[in-house]
Amino acid sequence: QKEVEQNSGPLSVPEGAIASLNCTYSDRVSQSFFWYRQYSGKSPELIMSIYSNGDKEDGRFTAQLNKASQYVSLLIRDSQPSDSATYLCAVGSGNTPLVFGKGTRLSVIA
Amino acid sequence: NAGVTQTPKFRILKIGQSMTLQCTQDMNHNYMYWYRQDPGMGLKLIYYSVGAGITDKGEVPNGYNVSRSTTEDFPLRLELAAPSQTSVYFCASSYSTGTVDTQYFGPGTRLTVL
Repeated sequence: QKEVEQNSGPLSVPEGAIASLNCTYSDRVSQSFFWYRQYSGKSPELIMSIYSNGDKEDGRFTAQLNKASQYVSLLIRDSQPSDSATYLCAVGSGNTPLVFGKGTRLSVIA
Repeated sequence: NAGVTQTPKFRILKIGQSMTLQCTQDMNHNYMYWYRQDPGMGLKLIYYSVGAGITDKGEVPNGYNVSRSTTEDFPLRLELAAPSQTSVYFCASSYSTGTVDTQYFGPGTRLTVL
């Protein structure tokens, strides 16, 4: 059974701080990794995808992947109240559907 | 490019009624999915399809049926609705040529069974 684990939170950070969201996965042969943001009452939307070890930056967001440790993280710099949402980690391997974590709820306090 | 569209947005059903949730994508994606999300919970995969004419069960298929006659459409059928099927239903699609890539989600259908 493939599993993706996330701390459910809530993770509270002050405005302007760095938010760090973490995710571990069980399938060693996983090849694709995604972070989705889901606002309350809305559908998940893609923030970042990462496929190789290391860091990938896009604006205020940085995804970090460590396949040896089976760990992927998302850093949000200069956090804004509009970043308050649930962040879902998803992991893919081969042709099977992505496996989603249950999500971490982030609250950015103004 | 509309992406993934779902109808209806909201629906209230009585116990025992049936309905079909519609999902259409215009991105020529080969993979399509149906998820349900209960309040405060994660996504649970109901059914998915890897192409027209091919469907497979996910984690929670009981009480649901699907069909995929075209690349674009992937309807989800609820037979004999039960209160346990009260949830938000999301359709998604993705493209795969060996590794499943980004899944794009529709706006969701909020279903209440009374």
